[in-house]
Amino acid sequence: EVQLVESGGGLVQPGGSLRLSCAGSGFTFRSSWMGWVRQAPGRGLEWVAKINPDGSEKYYGDSVEGRFTVSRDNPRNSLYLQVNSLREEDTAVYYCTRDQVWGQGTPLTVSS
Amino acid sequence: DIQMTQSPSTLSASVGDRVTITCRASQSTSIWLAWYQQKPGKPPKALIYKASNLESGVPSRFSGSGSGTEFTLTINSLQPDDFATYYCQNYNGPFGQGTKVEIK
Repeated sequence: EVQLVESGGGLVQPGGSLRLSCAGSGFTFRSSWMGWVRQAPGRGLEWVAKINPDGSEKYYGDSVEGRFTVSRDNPRNSLYLQVNSLREEDTAVYYCTRDQVWGQGTPLTVSS
Repeated sequence: DIQMTQSPSTLSASVGDRVTITCRASQSTSIWLAWYQQKPGKPPKALIYKASNLESGVPSRFSGSGSGTEFTLTINSLQPDDFATYYCQNYNGPFGQGTKVEIK
């Protein structure tokens, strides 16, 4: 069974940084495009970033370009999202995705 | 960048109704489109992949069609469990704004 488990969310002050993690299992991680999606409270789904299997191609949504960095560690079956220069509008549940499979999400709150 | 536009934003319907949700892409996405259902407090659940293929375990009253820039999700004979919010997504890319299906 394909499983994705996110971790690393929490409460951060504006301007702060955090690294979100996602552990994948039940599939060939090193062969899979992986991504991050977020959902702010009461809002719709927003695509955040995606990365190709070997990590050489990375793409970002306009609202996070230049502040967030997606990366992966294939031997550890892990996906990461480094989030910097955080703003209150980055408050959301962050989901790790592989094709149409999603994790349960990790909440990130940006507040002073 | 591709933009996805979904309509309507809200849909009021009754149990047993047939409902259709439309998703338009600003440029061709071929068949690389997925549909999701989301209920409050839960992650989205995939319904349709590659525009018209039903995910395993999804009831057959759900169907998807379209290619290029125009796509539809149809729910035949709406059931109580179907009242939720639905999203389209260009694979690993942008989402539509969502359609909330409410009880009439």
